[in-house]
Amino acid sequence: GAVVSQHPSWVICKSGTSVKIECRSLDFQATTMFWYRQFPKQSLMLMATSNEGSKATYEQGVEKDKFLINHASLTLSTLTVTSAHPEDSSFYICSAYLGDWNQETQYFGPGTRLLVL
Amino acid sequence: KQEVTQIPAALSVPEGENLVLNCSFTDSAIYNLQWFRQDPGKGLTSLLLIQSSQREQTSGRLNASLDKSSGRSTLYIAASQPGDSATYLCAVNDYKLSFGAGTTVTVRA
Repeated sequence: GAVVSQHPSWVICKSGTSVKIECRSLDFQATTMFWYRQFPKQSLMLMATSNEGSKATYEQGVEKDKFLINHASLTLSTLTVTSAHPEDSSFYICSAYLGDWNQETQYFGPGTRLLVL
Repeated sequence: KQEVTQIPAALSVPEGENLVLNCSFTDSAIYNLQWFRQDPGKGLTSLLLIQSSQREQTSGRLNASLDKSSGRSTLYIAASQPGDSATYLCAVNDYKLSFGAGTTVTVRA
C-alpha cells in the first residue's frame, strides 16, 4: 500500500514553454502533498506544501508565479513550471503523508526529470 | 532554520564490511527522523523511521540510532553487499522534512 505516482517520469521541453507534472496517491487520500526539487549531486529541497482545496504554501525563494501548484482532489496535486528556462532543469519529486504527519512517514513518488533546452 | 549535515559525503568499502553513516541536525525539536535510500536517477525508498521518543530502530541488517539532545543519528549497515551501493539520505521532520546532502556508498565486490 501507500503508493505515490508521478507523471511524466521525464520531460524535455523548449525554453519558454510550460510543463505540468502530476502527483497521485494511488491507494490513499492525501490532504497534504509536498513538492521537492533536487539538483545533481545535491539533496532534496522543499519547494512548497500543497493542501487540498487551498492555496499552496511556498518556501522562501521559490517563485509562486513560476511554479504553480494545484491540489484539486485528495489524490492529485499538479506542479506547473511556467515559462521554463534551462536553470529549471532538475529532478522534481512529490510526496504525501499517510496518516498523522507527526507519526507517519512521507511516501515519495518516483520523481520527474525535467530538461529545458 | 533546520540544518542537516551528513558525513562522510562518500564512502567506499569492500564487501562484508560494516557501514557507519552519520547525520547531525541543528534543531532538536523534531517529531521523527528518517533514513532513505536513493538509487541514481530514482526516487526515495524509506529505510527506517525513528520517532523522537525512540533511541533506535532496526530492520534486518540496518540499525539507526537517534540522540535527539545532541542532534545526531547514525545508520549502521551490517555486512555490506554490492547491492547496498546507493546514496543514503537522512531527513528530520519538524512538520516539514529537511534533508541532508547524503552519503554516497560504494560497496566493492
